[in-house]
Amino acid sequence: DAGVTQSPTHLIKTRGQQVTLRCSPKSGHDTVSWYQQALGQGPQFIFQYYEEEERQRGNFPDRFSGHQFPNYSSELNVNALLLGDSALYLCASSYRNKNQPQHFGDGTRLSIL
Amino acid sequence: QKEVEQDPGPLSVPEGAIVSLNCTYSNSAFQYFMWYRQYSRKGPELLMYTYSSGNKEDGRFTAQVDKSSKYISLFIRDSQPSDSATYLCAIEVGDKLIFGTGTRLQVFP
Repeated sequence: DAGVTQSPTHLIKTRGQQVTLRCSPKSGHDTVSWYQQALGQGPQFIFQYYEEEERQRGNFPDRFSGHQFPNYSSELNVNALLLGDSALYLCASSYRNKNQPQHFGDGTRLSIL
Repeated sequence: QKEVEQDPGPLSVPEGAIVSLNCTYSNSAFQYFMWYRQYSRKGPELLMYTYSSGNKEDGRFTAQVDKSSKYISLFIRDSQPSDSATYLCAIEVGDKLIFGTGTRLQVFP
């Protein structure tokens, strides 16, 4: 039973560029959430997708956008990258109607030069 | 005031010790509480999930929730070097998780 998988594992970009990160949820899960984890901090909620729609959003600018596909996989897009966007980006999946906790992937480490 | 406060540590304990990790939260409406373990260069791994006051035990791990004090704890008995990791408390609010900053634990042989 595959868990949450994310790609790529590591990415290096320069300021002003755009990036797309990908996530496949755990088998049987229909909801995907994205988090940003800065070094030495806990993860911060970016947004959640369910039924291909953004359901809730954290305190992140519009430069952060996402998408969910019919197979429940998801993408996180970040435009106009800033140095402060350097972080570990985590994807978590869950089954919305079962009150079950979120399960995380190992993340994509994004470095901005 | 942060919604979730966690002792940052780091904690360094000898193998076999009992470890106590703690968080406080601000909103009494919070109902679901979690502990995640995160190894270096890995994602958070769910350890415990509870929604009621009291204790929940799973092997060497016990999660404790005191809603009257807005205090949650994780106890690790007979700690092992393999328990060395960062421990994150989290509270579920609607569709999102709010995390503490994490406590780094080192268990030395």
